[in-house]
Amino acid sequence: DAKTTQPNSMESNEEEPVHLPCNHSTISGTDYIHWYRQLPSQGPEYVIHGLTSNVNNRMASLAIAEDRKSSTLILHRATLRDAAVYYCILRGETDSWGKLQFGAGTQVVVTP
Amino acid sequence: EPEVTQTPSHQVTQMGQEVILRCVPISNHLYFYWYRQILGQKVEFLVSFYNNEISEKSEIFDDQFSVERPDGSNFTLKIRSTKLEDSAMYFCASTGVNYGYTFGSGTRLTVV
Repeated sequence: DAKTTQPNSMESNEEEPVHLPCNHSTISGTDYIHWYRQLPSQGPEYVIHGLTSNVNNRMASLAIAEDRKSSTLILHRATLRDAAVYYCILRGETDSWGKLQFGAGTQVVVTP
Repeated sequence: EPEVTQTPSHQVTQMGQEVILRCVPISNHLYFYWYRQILGQKVEFLVSFYNNEISEKSEIFDDQFSVERPDGSNFTLKIRSTKLEDSAMYFCASTGVNYGYTFGSGTRLTVV
């Protein structure tokens, strides 16, 4: 899997948007961009994934740069429950069932 | 929403003892995984399992580890002779056809 780079931590106020960047300059044309998060004392949780177009779901939005070398996970209104480590992971199109390679992720701190 | 269930939530064992960690994946999922996370470190892949056999394993998954799907619903991880360094959170995960992996809440293994 190609490498991703994320900031170590980000802080946000409750009910404000959070934009989590991820750089993946060596992404290949068939790599999907996946995001997972890990709440304290929990297992990782799937958030969202995309290939080229921006994606929205009930948890978050994923904005993908036109050259696909970076992406941004957007939490529209942060809640205290969104405090977690967020992981950006690349997955090959033909590697749908293979292992996930977790990095250190971004620790999101939400302040009331 | 379907869940991956892991038992026990916490296991304390003496060094050299055998432990079995249990998981019930989501019923219509076909791919199963074990990951571990040593306190303060990254989530690490151990093994993936499909069609009743190991499809991939990491260097961590040595001869002391084994996996089994004994009855079509449970998925187990056995550590034959535990070492102090096996102390970690162990996460089971499963996936089906929608790309998102579902993780359990984990078993905290403490080897004393």
